[in-house]
Amino acid sequence: QPVLTQSSSASASLGSSVKLICTLSSGHNDYIIAWHQRQPGKAPRYLMIVEGSGSYNKGTGVPDRISGSSSGADRYLTISNLQSEDEADYYCETWDSYTRVFGGGTKLTVL
Amino acid sequence: QVQLQQWGAGLLKPSETLSLTCTVYGGSFSGHYWSWIRQPPGKGLEWIGEINHSGSTDYNPSLRSRLTISVDMSKNQLSLRLSSMTAADTAVYYCARLARDYGDYWIDYWGQGTRVTVSS
Repeated sequence: QPVLTQSSSASASLGSSVKLICTLSSGHNDYIIAWHQRQPGKAPRYLMIVEGSGSYNKGTGVPDRISGSSSGADRYLTISNLQSEDEADYYCETWDSYTRVFGGGTKLTVL
Repeated sequence: QVQLQQWGAGLLKPSETLSLTCTVYGGSFSGHYWSWIRQPPGKGLEWIGEINHSGSTDYNPSLRSRLTISVDMSKNQLSLRLSSMTAADTAVYYCARLARDYGDYWIDYWGQGTRVTVSS
């Protein structure tokens, strides 16, 4: 089954950009992943799916300054013009016929 | 606007059975798969299992012997029952809807989460 690896933390300044990474385990380079955001005290929110081709498809209401991309086994979430409300935990998700797995999550701090 | 509202007992004793219910407001209930996920304190998200509108289920093998997921289409509800609870089952439990595109299914809506503590 696939395994997803994320950095445990990231930080960037207000108004800057940050690129979060989710890495698929060997042999799963072509898997689609989904990104989710969980702001403090709130329910998780679906952001987008990102395919191995680099194309991405965002959920309803996700701002234009949030985008996705891909390179090999890596799937990225880029947030531009960072706002205070972007401070959150970000999780990636993938699946196969038998299971659904999540990355360990990246805690993003907006400085 | 799709909303998933979940509820259930938050404090259990060891060996008791956890029962959680999630009501779905908005969108199509029968056209989707539905999932339960949990997050123990200080740990990552763990997939519990999922069900489609016809009642076909997939369970995490580590929980299968204790787990029942069901749907009530007349009420737009999904339910989770996890028996023989232990401290290791202490977690925040989430219900979720799965979006679908051909053979791919991913979470596109989450419930608000229910904090469940198992303690004597």
